[in-house]
Amino acid sequence: AQTVTQSQPEMSVQEAETVTLSCTYDTSESNYYLFWYKQPPSRQMILVIRQEAYKQQNATENRFSVNFQKAAKSFSLKISDSQLGDTAMYFCAFMKPSKLVFGAGTILRVKS
Amino acid sequence: DTGVSQDPRHKITKRGQNVTFRCDPISEHNRLYWYRQTLGQGPEFLTYFQNEAQLEKSRLLSDRFSAERPKGSFSTLEIQRTEQGDSAMYLCASSLEGGQAYGYTFGSGTRLTVV
Repeated sequence: AQTVTQSQPEMSVQEAETVTLSCTYDTSESNYYLFWYKQPPSRQMILVIRQEAYKQQNATENRFSVNFQKAAKSFSLKISDSQLGDTAMYFCAFMKPSKLVFGAGTILRVKS
Repeated sequence: DTGVSQDPRHKITKRGQNVTFRCDPISEHNRLYWYRQTLGQGPEFLTYFQNEAQLEKSRLLSDRFSAERPKGSFSTLEIQRTEQGDSAMYLCASSLEGGQAYGYTFGSGTRLTVV
């Protein structure tokens, strides 16, 4: 079974600071995809960043980057220069083979 | 294309009533997924379609739940004899076949409240 664990139910960060959200997963597969989704209070899930397991290079999308440690099955999200609009629930998700499995989420609050 | 559309946005129903939700995926996406999300939790997979074929159903999808995608375009999710435990956000998402590597596009969801 594939499971995704997000150990931080809530996090807060000051505007312009950096924050890291943790995620671990469990799988016996060698090739898979990992994602971070953002769900603002308006509720629509938005893809933030994705990582292919066979690529060792960590993915980066503007202020968002990941630290992918395949051997440790760890996939953390780093948000740099946090903005008020980053306030949301963040979900780590695992794809294999044809459906997304989500973690329980981390509520991130950006404070001014 | 306006993305994935779900209707209604909110539904309040009395226990025991039947409800039906609709999802319109991105037009070129042939895969469509239904998820359920309870407050403070991550979405849980319910079922998915490839074109009109329902390829997988979760054990969460009891006999009271049925989903259809009759022409491979929009989909409906029906809950019969609703129970208070059915109260949740029901999310629809779509993707291209083989596009799973790029994740899904989600709709805004239908919030169901059973009173």
